[in-house]
Amino acid sequence: QKEVEQNSGPLSVPEGAIASLNCTYSDRVSQSFFWYRQYSGKSPELIMSIYSNGDKEDGRFTAQLNKASQYVSLLIRDSQPSDSATYLCAGEKISGYALNFGKGTSLLVTP
Amino acid sequence: KAGVTQTPRYLIKTRGQQVTLSCSPISGHRSVSWYQQTPGQGLQFLFEYFSETQRNKGNFPGRFSGRQFSNSRSEMNVSTLELGDSALYLCASSLGQGPRANEQFFGPGTRLTVL
Repeated sequence: QKEVEQNSGPLSVPEGAIASLNCTYSDRVSQSFFWYRQYSGKSPELIMSIYSNGDKEDGRFTAQLNKASQYVSLLIRDSQPSDSATYLCAGEKISGYALNFGKGTSLLVTP
Repeated sequence: KAGVTQTPRYLIKTRGQQVTLSCSPISGHRSVSWYQQTPGQGLQFLFEYFSETQRNKGNFPGRFSGRQFSNSRSEMNVSTLELGDSALYLCASSLGQGPRANEQFFGPGTRLTVL
């Protein structure tokens, strides 16, 4: 099993809907997780970090961490066409000081 | 605060040559990580430096090396370039210690093309 896995998508949602992005991780990844957004031709941008079990909300974004099931999710409420991008999930390596990235999920928000 | 900067932004080299990429972190950040991004493999970790010391290294051949200077700026070097080294090379900076040690902020990247 890869350290961090994501469905590549594309995930298509209509404007105004909730987009749900998911990520699973292995035992080789510790309990710190990050969501990055990457627009085509640009570098990744950090949008959320989550360190403890449960939910963390920031504006239209909610990150969820479930340690028992080893998954992390990102919810985007009131999705906008400008949210169309690739979303990368990352977890801190057990060895420390480095992140393992999933391959990303492509999100398309249609007007 | 100024963001992470990388130079050059684009490079074209031929097989067998070597290349040096530079990264300047966000002011106050002492950790710099390097990644290779390709369409097939995604983002792959190369190495991480903190206070001029390499703390972690990914699974890349010894042709890939790096260093960090006392002002936290970092360089990575790739020797004997191969066609497969064509990729976007990204550096990311972070505090490197404390509760938010690994919140990494990426630079714009260097697009390397090997012919």
